[in-house]
Amino acid sequence: KAGVTQTPRYLIKTRGQQVTLSCSPISGHRSVSWYQQTPGQGLQFLFEYFSETQRNKGNFPGRFSGRQFSNSRSEMNVSTLELGDSALYLCASSFGTTYGYTFGSGTRLTVV
Amino acid sequence: AQKITQTQPGMFVQEKEAVTLDCTYDTSDPSYGLFWYKQPSSGEMIFLIYQGSYDQQNATEGRYSLNFQKARKSANLVISASQLGDSAMYFCAMSSVSGNTPLVFGKGTRLSVIA
Repeated sequence: KAGVTQTPRYLIKTRGQQVTLSCSPISGHRSVSWYQQTPGQGLQFLFEYFSETQRNKGNFPGRFSGRQFSNSRSEMNVSTLELGDSALYLCASSFGTTYGYTFGSGTRLTVV
Repeated sequence: AQKITQTQPGMFVQEKEAVTLDCTYDTSDPSYGLFWYKQPSSGEMIFLIYQGSYDQQNATEGRYSLNFQKARKSANLVISASQLGDSAMYFCAMSSVSGNTPLVFGKGTRLSVIA
């Protein structure tokens, strides 16, 4: 079966711009979580959506937002990009909390 | 709040030897799950093994086993017969079964397997 698909794989943006990242979960998975990974801060949880509702939220500024559609696909948006937003953004989908989380290959965002 | 602690930033192991990666956790949830993931230099997160807090036996998956000591709140990963391809970052993570708290990760351990 198809895995978790994240698009695009690589992205270069200019400071002040906004960006939208996409995540298509495994078919049947209703939970989608987003993480930011940087060398200094490690893996930080951004937010989780379950059946189109935000279930959990991490400690990120309001510039970071997300949503989930009825087909469980999810998008995250970062507005007014800062240099510090350069990171690998990972998406994970899950059927349920005891079934494990499957990750996509990530989107590597570079802000210049 | 849930917290995962991995105290070994980096480790070296000889090929074909066994290695233990440490993980301790803290949570107030009565029911939770513990996970280990491998992240090679390519960046993808690969699921290795899962242990439920109420599982009576330690989880095993091929060369991976999880040494779960609930009273000590530890969930160490044991890799037997290390291979060069095992060189990667390894992350311990946990989530609540209820879904009320998300999957949270430790800082990771970089494992290097030496020929």
